[in-house]
Amino acid sequence: SQQGEEDPQALSIQEGENATMNCSYKTSINNLQWYRQNSGRGLVHLILIRSNEREKHSGRLRVTLDTSKKSSSLLITASRAADTASYFCAPGGSNYKLTFGKGTLLTVNP
Amino acid sequence: SAVISQKPSRDICQRGTSLTIQCQVDSQVTMMFWYRQQPGQSLTLIATANQGSEATYESGFVIDKFPISRPNLTFSTLTVSNMSPEDSSIYLCSVKAGVGTDTQYFGPGTRLTVL
Repeated sequence: SQQGEEDPQALSIQEGENATMNCSYKTSINNLQWYRQNSGRGLVHLILIRSNEREKHSGRLRVTLDTSKKSSSLLITASRAADTASYFCAPGGSNYKLTFGKGTLLTVNP
Repeated sequence: SAVISQKPSRDICQRGTSLTIQCQVDSQVTMMFWYRQQPGQSLTLIATANQGSEATYESGFVIDKFPISRPNLTFSTLTVSNMSPEDSSIYLCSVKAGVGTDTQYFGPGTRLTVL
């Protein structure tokens, strides 16, 4: 399946530090999306990276994609308490169905 | 981007009853999806809501339990029928933003508690 698996399951850092989360998947993909979920609310779309892209930036976010290793990483720089949330990756194929892993729970301590 | 609203935002229901959740998008979209997130778990796709035809259900989900309507390109409903406490979850709709993009946006979710 295209299910993404995030690692680590939980990450606790201090405000101002960088946070890196990883995602692995098993099949070929067209793209990979990252989402944030705050405490049981809806998912907020962060960034989409296409299979022919290696790196993408959006504000304090940096996403990399290595299709040869079937992995992606999300880097949040200069983290803030408001970044505290669960982060999910969603590898996407031609059928547009998204399969989610358990996510990474990021806690940013003030 | 697409702005998605869901109603209700939360509800507490008695077992054996049914609840219909509405999903409204601010623009016409071709593809809409319904997901479930059980407590402490990740999201699981329930079905793809097809405009003008029956929804396409994923393994483990059936139409009798989760009937879906999609009368037009901006609106869909999901009904959770004959509810049991195991149906307590957050239900989310999502949309593929449109032609030329694979980005999917999610609604704010409906938090359902079944007693």
